[in-house]
Amino acid sequence: DVKVTQSSRYLVKRTGEKVFLECVQDMDHENMFWYRQDPGLGLRLIYFSYDVKMKEKGDIPEGYSVSREKKERFSLILESASTNQTSMYLCAIRPTGTGGGQYFGPGTRLTVT
Amino acid sequence: GESVGLHLPTLSVQEGDNSIINCAYSNSASDYFIWYKQESGKGPQFIIDIRSNMDKRQGQRVTVLLNKTVKHLSLQIAATQPGDSAVYFCAEIYQGAQKLVFGQGTRLTINP
Repeated sequence: DVKVTQSSRYLVKRTGEKVFLECVQDMDHENMFWYRQDPGLGLRLIYFSYDVKMKEKGDIPEGYSVSREKKERFSLILESASTNQTSMYLCAIRPTGTGGGQYFGPGTRLTVT
Repeated sequence: GESVGLHLPTLSVQEGDNSIINCAYSNSASDYFIWYKQESGKGPQFIIDIRSNMDKRQGQRVTVLLNKTVKHLSLQIAATQPGDSAVYFCAEIYQGAQKLVFGQGTRLTINP
């Protein structure tokens, strides 16, 4: 089974704080993704990575950065959190050689006050 | 641009009945279509996918049908159970692209 873990289920941060969201996978997959999910807007891709130290912008990268120093770990960074970044953040991986389906972690509900 | 949409935002069915959730897509170049289930407070769960050169695929209690002529995708759930209550959404991916294009979701409610 594909296993994707995220460091926190719930997180509360203050405006202006630097926030790190961690995603870890246990199967050596190359492709990892960060999404945010908001009511009425669905899932939106922030960044993805197809290998160590490689990253690509998704649809809404503004206000975010990412880091992938090791294959199993993909971090999403909010350099200076703002209230409009309050959201559910979902990490996903796409196993190599499969049809395209991505497997998601449990999500981190981030509230920025 | 490409989009994946759903015909109905909510669907209520009786426990034990079959459920059919529909999805329309616009990108005829998509290679794969995927259905996800998302329960409240959890991440989306992969249910089943179908390749664009197929028109039907079956899993455990689920069947996905693909009609490329009208660009329509459906998910059929047999003998719906209370545990099937969730939001279901479809997604598509096309060759060379890394990202999925997601629909907004249909909320399935099971009546006892």
